[in-house]
Amino acid sequence: SQTIHQWPATLVQPVGSPLSLECTVEGTSNPNLYWYRQAAGRGLQLLFYSVGIGQISSEVPQNLSASRPQDRQFILSSKKLLLSDSGFYLCAWRSTPGAGGSFAEAFFGQGTRLTVV
Amino acid sequence: GENVEQHPSTLSVQEGDSAVIKCTYSDSASNYFPWYKQELGKGPQLIIDIRSNVGEKKDQRIAVTLNKTAKHFSLHITETQPEDSAVYFCADHGGYNKLIFGAGTRLAVHP
Repeated sequence: SQTIHQWPATLVQPVGSPLSLECTVEGTSNPNLYWYRQAAGRGLQLLFYSVGIGQISSEVPQNLSASRPQDRQFILSSKKLLLSDSGFYLCAWRSTPGAGGSFAEAFFGQGTRLTVV
Repeated sequence: GENVEQHPSTLSVQEGDSAVIKCTYSDSASNYFPWYKQELGKGPQLIIDIRSNVGEKKDQRIAVTLNKTAKHFSLHITETQPEDSAVYFCADHGGYNKLIFGAGTRLAVHP
């Protein structure tokens, strides 16, 4: 069965410090991968998505970046955190065409609650 | 671009009443319409979905209806229970690779 791991669960970082959040998926190949941010009491903002190794699409201009060094690994990074980067970060995956296709549901990790102080 | 509008943003009902949440989408090519439930401190999970060739789908107390002409789909929860309290999101393909979510509806079921 497929599983998705996201860590850490919580993180408190000072303004200006770097960030690295990691997400890995097991039990599937060539998934679409997603990073979302959720501010308190708000909706899911799509930050980045990836359809393959090294392929990153950015949805919102910001001081965050994403990388996909391996098929089932997705990393969210920042060189210098801002207070406004605080939030609940969620990684998700879903199947690509021909392997569940356009009717595939998304599976989410448990999230990382980031507080920038 | 792709857009999903969801309302209401908050919904408060008494236990046993019904709850309805509605989403409107803009992409005519959309063909898959999922609903997710997010409990506090967790990631969203799929609860029901519908494909564009079907008008309604039911799973026990929850149902989803789709009106392709009007480009909207709705989540219906009957006989609500306190454990139904959560945030609910609709979603749209947005050109397949993207997965765009509505703004969410916070449902509170009061005993």
